Amino acid sequence: AQSVTQPDIHITVSEGASLELRCNYSYGATPYLFWYVQSPGQGLQLLLKYFSGDTLVQGIKGFEAEFKRSQSSFNLRKPSVHWSDAAEYFCAVGPRDFNKFYFGSGTKLNVKP
Amino acid sequence: NAGVTQTPKFQVLKTGQSMTLQCAQDMNHNSMYWYRQDPGMGLRLIYYSASEGTTDKGEVPNGYNVSRLNKREFSLRLESAAPSQTSVYFCASCGGGGGGQPQHFGDGTRLSIL
Repeated sequence: AQSVTQPDIHITVSEGASLELRCNYSYGATPYLFWYVQSPGQGLQLLLKYFSGDTLVQGIKGFEAEFKRSQSSFNLRKPSVHWSDAAEYFCAVGPRDFNKFYFGSGTKLNVKP
Repeated sequence: NAGVTQTPKFQVLKTGQSMTLQCAQDMNHNSMYWYRQDPGMGLRLIYYSASEGTTDKGEVPNGYNVSRLNKREFSLRLESAAPSQTSVYFCASCGGGGGGQPQHFGDGTRLSIL
């Protein structure tokens, strides 16, 4: 069965510190992988996506993610967090034959000044 | 450039009342989706439509019905609302047909059932 696990429900980092949000997936084959961000009261916005090729993908707002097949992981990183990055982040997977997606439960990021 | 538009943005219902949540997209996308978002549970798929004229159940379809009115519009109906359906509902669309195209989301409908 397909599933996505985001083990950290809440994370607090200081502004300027580095960030890593974890995502593990369970899927029969290599899926498409996505990270979305949700600001309060808003819908989800795509940060980045992995289809194939380079395992390190760059996204918007200075985010990047690394796909590790051996660990079934797709962790999101940012070298230096800004206060405006405070939001909830969702990892999602989708099959290669159809656009049906499975979402993790989300990680809420707080940024300390 | 509206993207995905959901109406209404907020709604309060009494138990047993019915209502329809509307969703429209202007990106000529084939696939459309309805999710509900509850604290700590991420997004759970209620129904989806792979293309105009087709609909399929997702993870949590009980208590809901959908209509893919045309390529642009995908509505979600609660026939007899229950307090357990208090949630934030998101509509999404994507190109569909494989290829890993990402979803585009509306801003959500916040629904409270008393």
